[in-house]
Amino acid sequence: KAGVTQTPRYLIKTRGQQVTLSCSPISGHRSVSWYQQTPGQGLQFLFEYFSETQRNKGNFPGRFSGRQFSNSRSEMNVSTLELGDSALYLCASSLVGTAFNEKLFFGSGTQLSVL
Amino acid sequence: GENVEQHPSTLSVQEGDSAVIKCTYSDSASNYFPWYKQELGKRPQLIIDIRSNVGEKKDQRIAVTLNKTAKHFSLHITETQPEDSAVYFCAAPGGGADGLTFGKGTHLIIQP
Repeated sequence: KAGVTQTPRYLIKTRGQQVTLSCSPISGHRSVSWYQQTPGQGLQFLFEYFSETQRNKGNFPGRFSGRQFSNSRSEMNVSTLELGDSALYLCASSLVGTAFNEKLFFGSGTQLSVL
Repeated sequence: GENVEQHPSTLSVQEGDSAVIKCTYSDSASNYFPWYKQELGKRPQLIIDIRSNVGEKKDQRIAVTLNKTAKHFSLHITETQPEDSAVYFCAAPGGGADGLTFGKGTHLIIQP
């Protein structure tokens, strides 16, 4: 069974631009959650989607948004990029979501650099 | 929401010795506590988890203990080996709309 796939692997953007990251979950998994990983802050929860609906949202500004499609693939978008948005963005999939205390399967992440 | 604190941030041990990483959480309703291991340049992977109805769980050289009264849980690795070198994250489910809250991670270094 293929694992969680994230594209692109690396992105370089400049301040003020916007970016879209993609995540394809493991086949059969309907929940996708997103995390921002930085050296000082560890893994911070962005949001979680299940069956095309946002189930949970972390404490991030409205510039961070996401969506999920009917095939469970998910995208996250960051608008008006700031230097502080430079980070590794990880997505994780599970069968029905973190509310059910499930194992998360992580992708390899997208490394975003904002110049 | 949930607050998870993890200590130490860096831990260096001699190969063959034991390592202990501790986490505290704030939400007394939390009932699931996973540990993820992230090797350098790789994705985080679940290594062990514990639910609130048990106090300890073991899997070969790895064990996790939970003290619900004190609201803390710990990861124990015995007979450490070079491949145990990684960053370890503890986590707890956030209350309400907070998803899964992770600690800031412990960089475990195994000295030969």
